[in-house]
Amino acid sequence: DTEVTQTPKHLVMGMTNKKSLKCEQHMGHRAMYWYKQKAKKPPELMFVYSYEKLSINESVPSRFSPECPNSSLLNLHLHALQPEDSALYLCASSQEKGTKNEQFFGPGTRLTVL
Amino acid sequence: GQNIDQPTEMTATEGAIVQINCTYQTSGFNGLFWYQQHAGEAPTFLSYNVLDGLEEKGRFSSFLSRSKGYSYLLLKELQMKDSASYLCAGGYNFNKFYFGSGTKLNVKP
Repeated sequence: DTEVTQTPKHLVMGMTNKKSLKCEQHMGHRAMYWYKQKAKKPPELMFVYSYEKLSINESVPSRFSPECPNSSLLNLHLHALQPEDSALYLCASSQEKGTKNEQFFGPGTRLTVL
Repeated sequence: GQNIDQPTEMTATEGAIVQINCTYQTSGFNGLFWYQQHAGEAPTFLSYNVLDGLEEKGRFSSFLSRSKGYSYLLLKELQMKDSASYLCAGGYNFNKFYFGSGTKLNVKP
C-alpha cells in the first residue's frame, strides 16, 4: 500500500460547525504533515508530526487543532472557521522527519466555509 | 518562504523539450524537490536533488547547483498529459519545506 488516503473529499461547513479531516497511511511512515493550499498558490505547511508528536506548528490559528492518534492516522479538527479558511487541505507522509525524505501526498479535502 | 522563485507560466509544443528554472535561498538549505500537480489533484513527486549535478529519470531530469541556489527541471518529448503545474520545493533545516508558487506548463499540439 503506497498511498495516503484522506476523508472526506469535499466538506462544506458553517462558521459555527465542528468538523474533522482524516488522513491515513500504511507505509510505515513516521512523519505526517498537514498543508493548506489556496487556489493557484503553492501548498503551505501547517503542522508536522514526528513519531506521533507535534514537532512543528507554523503559527496556525487555534481554530485548527491537529491530532495524531497513532502512527497511521492524522486528524485535523476544525472549529469556528472563517470563510477565508476555504482551501484544499493536503495531508502528506514521509519515512522520517527531515527534509531528505520524499513526501507522499493524499488527494486532499476541499473545504468550503460558508 | 525562503524566496523560492520560478516562472509563473510556460508554453511548449508536444514533442519538444522544456526547462523550468527555480532559484532559492541557500541559507539552511538541505535539498530540492520537484513535484507535478494537475488541477484539483495532489502534488506527485518527480525528483529530489541534494548534490550538485543532473539526475535523470526517464523523460524528466533535474539539475542542482548548491553554490548558485539554482535548479531546473527538464522535460523531454513533451506529451499533452504533461500539462500541469510544476512545483519546486526546498527542504530547510531539519523539517521545513517551502514550495515555490509553481509553474503552469501548457503543452500545445
